[in-house]
Amino acid sequence: AQRVTQPEKLLSVFKGAPVELKCNYSYSGSPELFWYVQYSRQRLQLLLRHISRESIKGFTADLNKGETSFHLKKPFAQEEDSAMYYCALRGVGFQKLVFGTGTRLLVSP
Amino acid sequence: DAGVTQSPTHLIKTRGQQVTLRCSPKSGHDTVSWYQQALGQGPQFIFQYYEEEERQRGNFPDRFSGHQFPNYSSELNVNALLLGDSALYLCASSLTENTGELFFGEGSRLTVL
Repeated sequence: AQRVTQPEKLLSVFKGAPVELKCNYSYSGSPELFWYVQYSRQRLQLLLRHISRESIKGFTADLNKGETSFHLKKPFAQEEDSAMYYCALRGVGFQKLVFGTGTRLLVSP
Repeated sequence: DAGVTQSPTHLIKTRGQQVTLRCSPKSGHDTVSWYQQALGQGPQFIFQYYEEEERQRGNFPDRFSGHQFPNYSSELNVNALLLGDSALYLCASSLTENTGELFFGEGSRLTVL
């Protein structure tokens, strides 16, 4: 079975603090992992994927197959990072994305 | 490019009725997927259409059906509506069927009374 777990519904930090949004997955093969973000009054959009190994808006995420995790990190949070973040998994041979329940990040001034 | 467009944005139905939701993909995209997002949950895959065929289906009953037209636009139909069908229905398009890089619409919010 494919499953994505985001243990925190809400993560509240101050501007300039480090951020880590947790994502754990369950999948027997080698998955593709993604982070999607939804800013207030905007549509859901792709933030980054593990294959590209790039930093987007200062965010990075490393796939840890041993711990089956794909945590999203940013060293210094900004107020504009406040949004809903979803971790998603795509299994080999599957077209669908399996999403977690999401974590709301609130960055206060 | 307007991106993925969905209609209607909001609608209210009563139990037992039928509903049709529509989606136009982003320009250049030929694959459309539908997701259901219940309140407080992440999007859940309903099905994907490519070349006017249903390519893969999630764990949804046959009351949920779809169609893709030659211009790549798509419809989601739900028959015999239940209260539990109340949700945000998201359409997503992609360049190919084998990608997790999806472009989402703003969704159609369905309320079943």
